[in-house]
Amino acid sequence: GAVVSQHPSWVICKSGTSVKIECRSLDFQATTMFWYRQFPKQSLMLMATSNEGSKATYEQGVEKDKFLINHASLTLSTLTVTSAHPEDSSFYICSAPGLAGGSSYNEQFFGPGTRLTVL
Amino acid sequence: AQSVTQLGSHVSVSEGALVLLRCNYSSSVPPYLFWYVQYPNQGLQLLLKYTSAATLVKGINGFEAEFKKSETSFHLTKPSAHMSDAAEYFCAVSGGAGNMLTFGGGTRLMVKP
Repeated sequence: GAVVSQHPSWVICKSGTSVKIECRSLDFQATTMFWYRQFPKQSLMLMATSNEGSKATYEQGVEKDKFLINHASLTLSTLTVTSAHPEDSSFYICSAPGLAGGSSYNEQFFGPGTRLTVL
Repeated sequence: AQSVTQLGSHVSVSEGALVLLRCNYSSSVPPYLFWYVQYPNQGLQLLLKYTSAATLVKGINGFEAEFKKSETSFHLTKPSAHMSDAAEYFCAVSGGAGNMLTFGGGTRLMVKP
């Protein structure tokens, strides 16, 4: 079946540094990927839509200069949190639409998430 | 535009009891509806989905959900709770296949022995 991986699974960094998170579709191609953020005990909020070969589309209130998204290939999207601050600490999850086994329907497959802690 | 409301941020049931997690949606287009489960510090696992076929949808781990258009609901049920069902459950809606999802606030299910 369709698998999405994320790397790293967790990261701790100092305030002011930048952190890159990778999202890969392992056995299928994805022209679009989605990035979500989840604060503790809260739901997932869509941050942006990553588009292969073009600029990402950001949701209202998400700073595009702070959360840089690059969709360099059909299997890789990266999210870079620039000049991270403690309030950026969160669980970041990506997803990609793909075909489930034996299905003609495109559904979202989620990565396992990346826990970012900014000290 | 779509939105999802999950009634009850916390639900507690005894082991072996019926599980009912409520989800109501709003959508300007025919919706695709999903239930996901999330265990601590993990990603999301799809339990089941409604994609305009049968209104009663069966998923993994004994869960099922019924799409009721007149009530704009997609409640999740399981006849008999197991301790391993304790987790966070999210209802989500999308406007089409492969589209981004809008999530409800989540319901934490606790199962008492």
